Amino acid sequence: GDSVTQMEGPVTLSEEAFLTINCTYTATGYPSLFWYVQYPGEGLQLLLKATKADDKGSNKGFEATYRKETTSFHLEKGSVQVSDSAVYFCALSNAGNNRKLIWGLGTSLAVNP
Amino acid sequence: EAQVTQNPRYLITVTGKKLTVTCSQNMNHEYMSWYRQDPGLGLRQIYYSMNVEVTDKGDVPEGYKVSRKEKRNFPLILESPSPNQTSLYFCASARTSEYNEQFFGPGTRLTVL
Repeated sequence: GDSVTQMEGPVTLSEEAFLTINCTYTATGYPSLFWYVQYPGEGLQLLLKATKADDKGSNKGFEATYRKETTSFHLEKGSVQVSDSAVYFCALSNAGNNRKLIWGLGTSLAVNP
Repeated sequence: EAQVTQNPRYLITVTGKKLTVTCSQNMNHEYMSWYRQDPGLGLRQIYYSMNVEVTDKGDVPEGYKVSRKEKRNFPLILESPSPNQTSLYFCASARTSEYNEQFFGPGTRLTVL
């Protein structure tokens, strides 16, 4: 079945460092790919999405490119801030799977001043 | 403001005492879903609904019930809660479109003693 694998955390960075969180997936067909973020004590918020191969999703300085050839959707940010400290989830949705979101286990990011 | 609301946000109860967690969305979304989030297991889908009066089991439906009598509401019912249902619960909604961008409520932290 469909699955998502994320790099394990926690990830600890200093402010202004470069961030990469790896995400790879296994899916039939052409899924949509998402990154969600969960700030401490809050629900999940959509950070960015990509719906077809080679699409780049971007938001708040974060980017991720849908790479079908490597089945990857890595999250990047050029310069992280303390306020980016959160848990990041990669997910996919396949229309052929009742639109269920398939989740990675999440990667915790801590950014130190 | 477009949002998904859940109540209560926090609940401590005892084994066997029936409870309901409410979920409501004001975006006229057809699709609604319940997830539970547990450490090391990520998010797992409990039940989902594609539209009014249409519900179906997710990955971990045992011990839960749902109903979808109105488009905006999707309550989660635990008829006889047990300690293994202690978890963080999220309700989500989405348009039944190809891309399935889901909007999440703030979460309900349930403890069953």
